[in-house]
Amino acid sequence: DAGVIQSPRHEVTEMGQEVTLRCKPISGHDYLFWYRQTMMRGLELLIYFNNNVPIDDSGMPEDRFSAKMPNASFSTLKIQPSEPRDSAVYFCASSLWSQSYEQYFGPGTRLTVT
Amino acid sequence: AQSVTQLGSHVSVSEGALVLLRCNYSSSVPPYLFWYVQYPNQGLQLLLKYTTGATLVKGINGFEAEFKKSETSFHLTKPSAHMSDAAEYFCAVLMTGNQFYFGTGTSLTVIP
Repeated sequence: DAGVIQSPRHEVTEMGQEVTLRCKPISGHDYLFWYRQTMMRGLELLIYFNNNVPIDDSGMPEDRFSAKMPNASFSTLKIQPSEPRDSAVYFCASSLWSQSYEQYFGPGTRLTVT
Repeated sequence: AQSVTQLGSHVSVSEGALVLLRCNYSSSVPPYLFWYVQYPNQGLQLLLKYTTGATLVKGINGFEAEFKKSETSFHLTKPSAHMSDAAEYFCAVLMTGNQFYFGTGTSLTVIP
């Protein structure tokens, strides 16, 4: 398996622009997680899905952030409008309940908002 | 309430010395426990996990961890540090209700 795939790997955008991050989980996994990592706040869980349904979005910082999972093989995290404080590395991870929920992480998207 | 605590945000050891990274969790029910490693500019990868059974679990790269219920701990150890072990290490717990928590991470430096 190719593992969790994220795109783009790097994104530089100007404040106010819309940003869309993409994730393809490992085939067959039934959980998908979005994390944000910064030096100041460490690794934060933003939202997670089970069988394409959002279960807990309490970590989503503001209404500017939204996430969707239209099918089992694709998810997006959108920021609109983006702000400099959104600059971070965003990770997607997937897991399977029958494998004790161990999460497999993608390589991350490094977002820079100027 | 903090569900998982990693003591020491930075740990330095000499090459060949024992590595000990500490992790404590807060739960009345034994959770599932994990250690992940993150190398620079990469995602997290699983080192080892404890679910049930033997309390001493062995992972990749010579690491192991022991689940101690009485101490609510899951410390990570390696008998002899290697330069390639320099990375960020995260302890994580899965509580009942599918609540997954990561610790704040410990940065390991290996001194030649």
